[in-house]
Amino acid sequence: DAKTTQPPSMDCAEGRAANLPCNHSTISGNEYVYWYRQIHSQGPQYIIHGLKNNETNEMASLIITEDRKSSTLILPHATLRDTAVYYCIVDTGANSKLTFGKGITLSVRP
Amino acid sequence: NAGVTQTPKFQVLKTGQSMTLQCAQDMNHEYMSWYRQDPGMGLRLIHYSVGAGITDQGEVPNGYNVSRSTTEDFPLRLLSAAPSQTSVYFCASKIGKTQYFGPGTRLLVL
Repeated sequence: DAKTTQPPSMDCAEGRAANLPCNHSTISGNEYVYWYRQIHSQGPQYIIHGLKNNETNEMASLIITEDRKSSTLILPHATLRDTAVYYCIVDTGANSKLTFGKGITLSVRP
Repeated sequence: NAGVTQTPKFQVLKTGQSMTLQCAQDMNHEYMSWYRQDPGMGLRLIHYSVGAGITDQGEVPNGYNVSRSTTEDFPLRLLSAAPSQTSVYFCASKIGKTQYFGPGTRLLVL
């Protein structure tokens, strides 16, 4: 069973920030929070990951609460190309066994 | 780098036929995995490998065989295809805490 809970869908306007929430209340101390996305049945694409500090890269920012029980992926300026299913995953990263849930479908509207 | 490549892109099989889905990566990654994705669902792990000569089962291994004779290649074999194996198959390789996915093979078993 997936260790994360995500709403099934959300939308946002093009050019605005998209804030995608994720709950992981049973996360262990050695587990990271990962975000991947899947655009229209393509292979999943890595976005970002973090342990307890907030992280930022060229694609997105990851905000993790202090108790690590939830996090938010932020796409600062969403474009139509960001329309995809976004998966929040918790894992130690020690092996290849990522567990994907159903993710959240983000629809970016013009 | 070509990244993770998969062949074929699409295949139709009859029940009972056998085939091999090919996966190759040119990034010298030790970890490689096979996932399947059914409509409306997340990815489920079939088999994985932590290096040449080492493989292990994932969540849904029945009906599939794998081998890892080289670092680069990780083929997935269906010995006797069944309609329940109709799915999209993704291969992935991993370095550090990041997985890189191939474009997928769409398999239809009649």
